[in-house]
Amino acid sequence: KAGVTQTPRYLIKTRGQQVTLSCSPISGHRSVSWYQQTPGQGLQFLFEYFSETQRNKGNFPGRFSGRQFSNSRSEMNVSTLELGDSALYLCASSLGASGSYEQYFGPGTRLTVT
Amino acid sequence: AQSVTQLGSHVSVSEGALVLLRCNYSSSVPPYLFWYVQYPNQGLQLLLKYTTGATLVKGINGFEAEFKKSETSFHLTKPSAHMSDAAEYFCAVIVNTNAGKSTFGDGTTLTVKP
Repeated sequence: KAGVTQTPRYLIKTRGQQVTLSCSPISGHRSVSWYQQTPGQGLQFLFEYFSETQRNKGNFPGRFSGRQFSNSRSEMNVSTLELGDSALYLCASSLGASGSYEQYFGPGTRLTVT
Repeated sequence: AQSVTQLGSHVSVSEGALVLLRCNYSSSVPPYLFWYVQYPNQGLQLLLKYTTGATLVKGINGFEAEFKKSETSFHLTKPSAHMSDAAEYFCAVIVNTNAGKSTFGDGTTLTVKP
């Protein structure tokens, strides 16, 4: 099976702009989670979608939003970008069913905000 | 809420020596525990997982970990380090009441000296 794919791999944006990141999960996986990774804060959970519904949400401002489509692909949007949003954004997919919680990660999208 | 503590942000071993990376968790419900490895500019790769059953779990690349409930630990070991093991390692916990949300430790950078 193909792994988790994320596009684009690299992005450079300016403060105030918005950005959309995309994630395609492993075939058959219904859960998609998003994480932000920075040197100072480590890996922080943003949100998780399961069957097109947000099932879990982390402690991020409302500028961070996401959605999941019927084919399980997911997008994450960040509006009004700030310098502190510069990070590696990781997407992870899993079956999401009871007992099958292990997550498989994509290569990430490196976002730089200038 | 669950949490993970990785003791030692940097561990250095000689090639051929034992690798021991420490992880302690806190959870009020039965945890699912994972170890991931991250190479520079890449996503996280699942090394091994503990769900239920056997407390000694074997993973890829010769790594293994033992779940000790009484000590709330899930330490990662490898009998003989290889240069290619140099990377950052993350311990993570998921609970079934928050499926899709991994809580990560701060990571341990493993250096392997020739």
